[in-house]
Amino acid sequence: DQQVKQNSPSLSVQEGRISILNCDYTNSMFDYFLWYKKYPAEGPTFLISISSIKDKNEDGRFTVFLNKSAKHLSLHIVPSQPGDSAVYFCAANHKTSYDKVIFGPGTSLSVIP
Amino acid sequence: DAGVIQSPRHEVTEMGQEVTLRCKPISGHDYLFWYRQTMMRGLELLIYFNNNVPIDDSGMPEDRFSAKMPNASFSTLKIQPSEPRDSAVYFCASSTLLNTIYFGEGSWLTVV
Repeated sequence: DQQVKQNSPSLSVQEGRISILNCDYTNSMFDYFLWYKKYPAEGPTFLISISSIKDKNEDGRFTVFLNKSAKHLSLHIVPSQPGDSAVYFCAANHKTSYDKVIFGPGTSLSVIP
Repeated sequence: DAGVIQSPRHEVTEMGQEVTLRCKPISGHDYLFWYRQTMMRGLELLIYFNNNVPIDDSGMPEDRFSAKMPNASFSTLKIQPSEPRDSAVYFCASSTLLNTIYFGEGSWLTVV
């Protein structure tokens, strides 16, 4: 029973366009959300996060949006670059167990030059 | 700064053999996590430790899997006996509470 879902296993986007990666969660006790990026043969690395008290957090080309009522978050990358091609994992912390981070299955993004 | 160090990077073993994966967390981090990545399930949390004590092992798939953390700088994940369905990438990660989790480069396990 996956508590963090990424329903699109893969996504292809043209260079310069916007990439939108989606994530849904089922557990209403989650209150902190993170995105990690993973290149082949490397471990995942932290990209951006958002607390449930916010609905948007921006860092350069990366913006995460949170819709608590819909239990949905999304990562926007604008403009997309070929170096953004990677697997993106959505993750969440449980408010009663901040040390336990649950990851989604990941979305593989390909940015086409 | 040294990151999370895992060994071996790659292991190919025969079904039924014992496999031991090793991890050295980042110095000063008091949380250590073992994750497994598969195509079907993505990144699954297997077990995590706080101050060397196992906190939650509910993700460990079955009794063939065990993990230990004898001290703050070392942890092992053991599979005995191994089966082909255990083939995956196993990640060790460490952090301090409420901070970013740092992952190692992973141990690629193939059981034939």
